[in-house]
Amino acid sequence: NAGVTQTPKFQVLKTGQSMTLQCAQDMNHEYMSWYRQDPGMGLRLIHYSVGAGITDQGEVPNGYNVSRSTTEDFPLRLLSAAPSQTSVYFCATRLRDSPYEQYFGPGTRLTVT
Amino acid sequence: AQKVTQAQTEISVVEKEDVTLDCVYETRDTTYYLFWYKQPPSGELVFLIRRNSFDEQNEISGRYSWNFQKSTSSFNFTITASQVVDSAVYFCALSEANYGGATNKLIFGTGTLLAVQP
Repeated sequence: NAGVTQTPKFQVLKTGQSMTLQCAQDMNHEYMSWYRQDPGMGLRLIHYSVGAGITDQGEVPNGYNVSRSTTEDFPLRLLSAAPSQTSVYFCATRLRDSPYEQYFGPGTRLTVT
Repeated sequence: AQKVTQAQTEISVVEKEDVTLDCVYETRDTTYYLFWYKQPPSGELVFLIRRNSFDEQNEISGRYSWNFQKSTSSFNFTITASQVVDSAVYFCALSEANYGGATNKLIFGTGTLLAVQP
């Protein structure tokens, strides 16, 4: 039981490049989310999904796309990376019903130069 | 609007001291959920506790205790007899309710960095 896994752990991109951050879970959790963590700002919600085929925007969605074709996977796509997207990205999952705590993956540290 | 404030940016204590981390929240909902997470230097986020707005009982788990006071919109976290392993960033977070359950939107505070010196 791996829980929530994220790949890659580290990534350096040049401005304008695209990439996909992967998130997978084996806990059969309905809800999945992407957060970014920036110094002094806590974690902010980018996009989330309440089930396969359903996604919605969070607090800071611009520059990111998501899709959810299976319960297990929730990839985050950066279409044209910008230096402002330099951050640590966390994927989180939780059950639809109680308990409501979210479980986080180990994070991906992304640097855009 | 929802908001979580952790006014203490950094706290430094000596081992065995007690320390309280403050969390003040704002919400218009009458039903909501509060959480504390720990982020050690390794970077992962570890869930510590969840509290429902309709349950104001304080909770103790070993050296950890939480004081929830709706009257002051606070959900403070106390570590008794702190240890070096408690050194981490601690986040308080809020989730409002939707159709009887928690929404998926966690609003985080900016975190408090706790440094426990030996």
